[in-house]
Amino acid sequence: DVHMTQSPSTLSASVGDRVTITCRASHNINRWLAWYQQRPGEVPKLLISQASTLESGVSSRFSGSGSGTEFSLTISSLQPDDFATYYCKQYNDAFATFGGGTKLDIK
Amino acid sequence: QVQLVQSAAEVKKPGASVRVSCKASGYTFTNFAFTWVRQAPGQGLEWVGWTRPDTGYTLIPQKFQDRVTLTTDTSTNTAYMELRSLTSNDTAVYYCARGASGPRFKVCLYWGQGTQVTVSS
Repeated sequence: DVHMTQSPSTLSASVGDRVTITCRASHNINRWLAWYQQRPGEVPKLLISQASTLESGVSSRFSGSGSGTEFSLTISSLQPDDFATYYCKQYNDAFATFGGGTKLDIK
Repeated sequence: QVQLVQSAAEVKKPGASVRVSCKASGYTFTNFAFTWVRQAPGQGLEWVGWTRPDTGYTLIPQKFQDRVTLTTDTSTNTAYMELRSLTSNDTAVYYCARGASGPRFKVCLYWGQGTQVTVSS
């Protein structure tokens, strides 16, 4: 199975900051990576697929990059709604796997 | 619009089984795959399995292979997840999610509201 390691596990930032979350795969997953956002008490939401393709309706403040084993999610100019937990997920392997999550909270 | 409506919360005793349903509407049921994901209290997301309604083909990781069955009913546009031999470690919110088109068939684009499964003696 492909193991996904996210870092950091928690991140404190302020409104207006630019932040980056990284995700490392144990094996080459090409660009088969998605990012999800989960606000407290809510259902997860797909933000990005294919490593860098923004989903319809998702703010352009979100961007994804990477391929192979190293990936990142960047949020430019944080807004109050962005404080949430973010998960990467690989779907290259037959069995998909999620990263452990990054909780982004207000400094 | 696409909707996934899951069954109500369940409380089960250790050793029992639970079946969670996910009724889909707003699209052609057989055109998109389903993923099942769970989230234990205060924990992250865990991939439980994936199924194609058109063929019945399923992918279930080894961790769950002996205990999980994924099925779909094309007559009622409903997907099901059955989990057997429950333990307290299975206490979680279980989500169904629908994939996207083309190469993104394994992403979770639309989500059900989640079903709380509590295992307690």
